Amino acid sequence: GAVVSQHPSRVICKSGTSVKIECRSLDFQATTMFWYRQFPKQSLMLMATSNEGSKATYEQGVEKDKFLINHASLTLSTLTVTSAHPEDSSFYICSARVRLAGNYEQYFGPGTRLTVT
Amino acid sequence: DQQVKQNSPSLSVQEGRISILNCDYTNSMFDYFLWYKKYPAEGPTFLISISSIKDKNEDGRFTVFLNKSAKHLSLHIVPSQPGDSAVYFCAATILASGAGSYQLTFGKGTKLSVIP
Repeated sequence: GAVVSQHPSRVICKSGTSVKIECRSLDFQATTMFWYRQFPKQSLMLMATSNEGSKATYEQGVEKDKFLINHASLTLSTLTVTSAHPEDSSFYICSARVRLAGNYEQYFGPGTRLTVT
Repeated sequence: DQQVKQNSPSLSVQEGRISILNCDYTNSMFDYFLWYKKYPAEGPTFLISISSIKDKNEDGRFTVFLNKSAKHLSLHIVPSQPGDSAVYFCAATILASGAGSYQLTFGKGTKLSVIP
């Protein structure tokens, strides 16, 4: 199946700094990638939809100036958490959409655990 | 407002028995449903899906049933194995809205423990 990678898998940063998370589709091209956030014992919440070559579409309540998304190529999307605060500590997961046999499927990356101290 | 609900946060089943995971939804526009399996500190892995034009889809030990009138779906795992122990997420989307969306709405998940 399609493989999506994320880097880093785990990051600890100090409050006020910025962190960049990379999401790559390894064996396919993804025109659309999604970024999710999961808090403990909660469902995955969609943060934004990223389309290659255009601006990301953010879900209600997600600050676009804080969570910068760049989808510069068909295999790479990045999420930058700017001026991180402890409440941004979470598990961030990206996914890439691919069309298989006429159906759209989403493949998820392994996730990035962000801890802001 | 939670559009996809998994009311059981956890479920324990004996190895070899059937596991039944339930999911309810409120948005009647949803027309495609998926189940994902997730291990701790990993991303979700796709398991099985079903379109709203069907009421059953089977793949090996996994079967998903859809009851549109009740806005309910369930995932059956038979026989359950210890390796099935994970958190299972139900997700829904509206495919008919066009190729530009396909945004998934997830339930909170059910933690399945299969006891050897």
